[in-house]
Amino acid sequence: DAGVIQSPRHEVTEMGQEVTLRCKPISGHDYLFWYRQTMMRGLELLIYFNNNVPIDDSGMPEDRFSAKMPNASFSTLKIQPSEPRDSAVYFCASSPQGHEQYFGPGTRLTVT
Amino acid sequence: GQSLEQPSEVTAVEGAIVQINCTYQTSGFYGLSWYQQHDGGAPTFLSYNALDGLEETGRFSSFLSRSDSYGYLLLQELQMKDSASYFCAVRDINDYKLSFGAGTTVTVRA
Repeated sequence: DAGVIQSPRHEVTEMGQEVTLRCKPISGHDYLFWYRQTMMRGLELLIYFNNNVPIDDSGMPEDRFSAKMPNASFSTLKIQPSEPRDSAVYFCASSPQGHEQYFGPGTRLTVT
Repeated sequence: GQSLEQPSEVTAVEGAIVQINCTYQTSGFYGLSWYQQHDGGAPTFLSYNALDGLEETGRFSSFLSRSDSYGYLLLQELQMKDSASYFCAVRDINDYKLSFGAGTTVTVRA
């Protein structure tokens, strides 16, 4: 298996632009998690899905953030409009049962 | 909610043993996980403890005491490639979320 795939690996955008991050989980994993990592706040869970259904989005910082999982093999995290404080590394992770999570390589987002 | 405490930094020489402690407070505990993250990389799963006791996986071992809300990761026969950040994470009994500690940066010196 190729592992969790994320794209793009790096994204540089201007404030106010829409950003879409993509994730392909490991086949057969029922859980998908989106995290954000910064030096200041560490690794934060934004949202997670079980069988394509959003279960907990309490970590989504504000309405500018949205996430979808239209099928078992694809998920997106969208930021609209983006702001400089959204600059971070965004990780997608998948898991067969929750506690053993497999992380993708991450997307390093820079908003100028 | 959950809160976790672990040391911020540890430095040791090659071949040494390092123990990273993690204490947690949670409203409903299910298990304790450990993840390794190299600089610029993604977190990778190391171990998981749901029951009290020691779990050994090669040079790395993880321990849990549920009554003390405490666990540790033991790194033995340290190698230069073990220089990384190590995170403990707790899973709540009510859901499948993980809450991560702030991480411990381990630096291995020659």
